Parts: sequence; structure tokens; C-alpha cells
Amino acid sequence: DAKTTQPPSMDCAEGRAANLPCNHSTISGNEYVYWYRQIHSQGPQYIIHGLKNNETNEMASLIITEDRKSSTLILPHATLRDTAVYYCIVPSGTYKYIFGTGTRLKVLA
Amino acid sequence: GAVVSQHPSRVICKSGTSVKIECRSLDFQATTMFWYRQFPKQSLMLMATSNEGSKATYEQGVEKDKFLINHASLTLSTLTVTSAHPEDSSFYICSATTPSRSYNEQFFGPGTRLTVL
Repeated sequence: DAKTTQPPSMDCAEGRAANLPCNHSTISGNEYVYWYRQIHSQGPQYIIHGLKNNETNEMASLIITEDRKSSTLILPHATLRDTAVYYCIVPSGTYKYIFGTGTRLKVLA
Repeated sequence: GAVVSQHPSRVICKSGTSVKIECRSLDFQATTMFWYRQFPKQSLMLMATSNEGSKATYEQGVEKDKFLINHASLTLSTLTVTSAHPEDSSFYICSATTPSRSYNEQFFGPGTRLTVL
């Protein structure tokens, strides 16, 4: 089973920040949190990952709570091209990814 | 960097035939490759993990005799769907990892859409 739970869907207005939450309450001390997204009929695209500190790159920011039991992916200025399914993953074992249901983000014009 | 390709991107075949899908890491050596299957409006389901030079490890419920995986080199893994039937129609996605990059990061291919008539 996936180690993460996410809301099934969210809407966001174009130009506004999209905040996508993820619960990973059983995460252990050395496990990373990874975020990917999948645009229709394509392979998943890496967005960002983190261990305990907040992270930012050119695509998004990742906020991880102090107890590491949840995180939030922030797309600062969502565009229509950000419409996708977003997956939060905590790898099982050395490399294995078990995908949960993800969050279907719809950016509205 | 860290590009993974798949070939073909889509394939249509008749029921009972076998189909081979290739997954290549183009600019890195992939010690481990993964195969996933995705049905419409569902999440990715891990089918198997393959390490170069050794037998693949299949997830529970995945028939190893039906989905043959070969990882003969550090840049190529193949998935062969044997005696394909309409229920095998799906989107097949591979991914790869390398110890030279972030510990658990997987790099995904673009996927192969298989339609069995």
C-alpha cells in the first residue's frame, strides 16, 4: 500500500498559488518525500523532493512539517499547463515507489 | 540529463500475439529499472523491479510468465507481453534509477500505450 494520502481533486484559479497537501504519517527518519506530476497520457515528471527542510526549485516549493508527517507542494503561480495529477511518494524499500491515488489539479482560466 | 525513452510509443496487436516494449536510459547507466501499468483514470501500479544481470522481482499478482522482463545491460530493459489479450490493453511505463543521482529518485519514460484487439 502507498505510504501517502492525498485529496482526490482540487481546483485552482490561474495565476494563484496551488497548495497540494500530502499526509505521510508513517514516514521514517531517513525517508525522503518525492513529488511527481503526470499530465494526461505521459510519464510522470519529477517536481521536487525533500527530507526535512523546506525546498524550492524553479517549478515549486515543498514545505515539510517539523514532525515530517505531512507536506505541502506549492505551485506559486499556477498556469493552465499545470493541470495534471500530482503524486506524493515516500519510497518503500530502497527504491520502490508505490503510487497512491494522487491529486487531480485543475487550473481554471 | 537522466532521460529515459520507450519504444514504441503506441502499439496495436491482435489477441494471442506477443509484444515487446523497450526502455532505455539515454545518458546514464541504470542499475535498476521498474515497470508500471496504468489503466484509464487509475494510478500507476508497479509490476516488477529489474536489476541489470539478474532476474526481475515481480509484485504480487503479476504473472511472471506473461510479462517477461529482461534487463541485459545497464541502459536497456525490455518488457514482453506474451499471448496478449484485450484485458492487457493498458499504458505501460518504465522508470530507472542510478546510484550516481539522488538516492531514491526515479526517472520515468514517456510510456507505451498497448491496445490488444
